[in-house]
This record gives sequence, C-alpha cells and structure tokens, in this order.
Amino acid sequence: DTGVSQDPRHKITKRGQNVTFRCDPISEHNRLYWYRQTLGQGPEFLTYFQNEAQLEKSRLLSDRFSAERPKGSFSTLEIQRTEQGDSAMYLCASQTGGGGTEAFFGQGTRLTVV
Amino acid sequence: KNEVEQSPQNLTAQEGEFITINCSYSVGISALHWLQQHPGGGIVSLFMLSSGKKKHGRLIATINIQEKHSSLHITASHPRDSAVYICAVDPNTGNQFYFGTGTSLTVIP
Repeated sequence: DTGVSQDPRHKITKRGQNVTFRCDPISEHNRLYWYRQTLGQGPEFLTYFQNEAQLEKSRLLSDRFSAERPKGSFSTLEIQRTEQGDSAMYLCASQTGGGGTEAFFGQGTRLTVV
Repeated sequence: KNEVEQSPQNLTAQEGEFITINCSYSVGISALHWLQQHPGGGIVSLFMLSSGKKKHGRLIATINIQEKHSSLHITASHPRDSAVYICAVDPNTGNQFYFGTGTSLTVIP
C-alpha cells in the first residue's frame, strides 16, 4: 500500500464547468476526510466518511459540492458549476479508526478555476 | 476563534540553526499531528503525539497535555527543511481535525 493517493494532482477548469476528484485511502482505513486549503491558510474541513456513510458535512460544502464513498473504499468529490472562489488545494486524509490513531494525507488536488 | 494557534507564522533561519515552532490548542485532544507541506505539494505526516516526546532524525516533537502545547524542533537545519509546518489536533469529540495556519520556514544556505 503506497498511502493515500489523489487524482488528478492538478486541474485547471473554466468557470461553470464541473470537476470530480478522486481519493484512494489506505485500504484498511475506515475514516476518510476531505479538506480544502487556500493559499496561506490551514486546511478547512469539508466532510467526513465512516466507511460508506457520510457522517458530517461542513457549511463550507455548498449544494454545488457533493462527496461519495461507495462501498467504503475510494471517495469522489464533485464540484458543479465551478466558481473562481473554488480554486484551492483539495486534500484527502484517511485514518484507521477512532481518535488518536495515525492519519495519513494525500498529495492533494490543486484546482484552478479560470 | 481558532482551536489551534501556531507561532511564528514565518521563520527564516541560517543553515545549521536550531529551530522551534510552537503550537497551542484549546480543545481536549486524543492526539496531535505535526505535518510538513512543501510548496505546491501535498502534506506529509511527521509525527503523531499523545504524550511526551518523539524523535526522528533531526526532528523532535514534544507535547504537554496539561498546558495544551506542543513544539516541533529541528536541529542542524538545512535548506531542504524549507517548507510549511502545520500543527493539527485530533479532538476528543467531533469528526474532524483542527489545523493551525502553518509556519512557513525558510532555511538559507
């Protein structure tokens, strides 16, 4: 297992287009998180999955954003009708269990909306 | 209100200097993570701490649970240490990590 992988690494899209990102967590990890990081800021929480169940969503996750984790394995984050304000690094992290277990982070997907 | 505060925000050091980055937090935690992020890159986990001290090469991380404070030290700093260092806490309640805004470190040869 090579860790948490995210695809693509970089995405440039025109405003108004839809984009989808994928995260493959470490295989035995139950917990999966999506975060967004804008320049000069720390990551901000978007959403959290426990297996296939999406248990928490941030208010940052507007109705243009949707995340899924079918079968509790990989996850996708889709942004519809992208806006320039969506430009950010989208990070995925996974964790094997409850609090206090080690978390692993993906390399991130850098989205630029032009 | 930020649950996690880091200092300094920016740090420039000469190669070989001893570096300390501080992290204070306001919530009860089950663990604290120190992360490294290179420009344009993703995040690499350096340490996970729930008590005491950990060392890996030239990096040392300490945590004081009572004082809700952690430090990351880099001994004999090197230009390749230049990166953003982020403190993140795994709180006792809730389903998300809380992140500091990061410390941008530049080590000059």
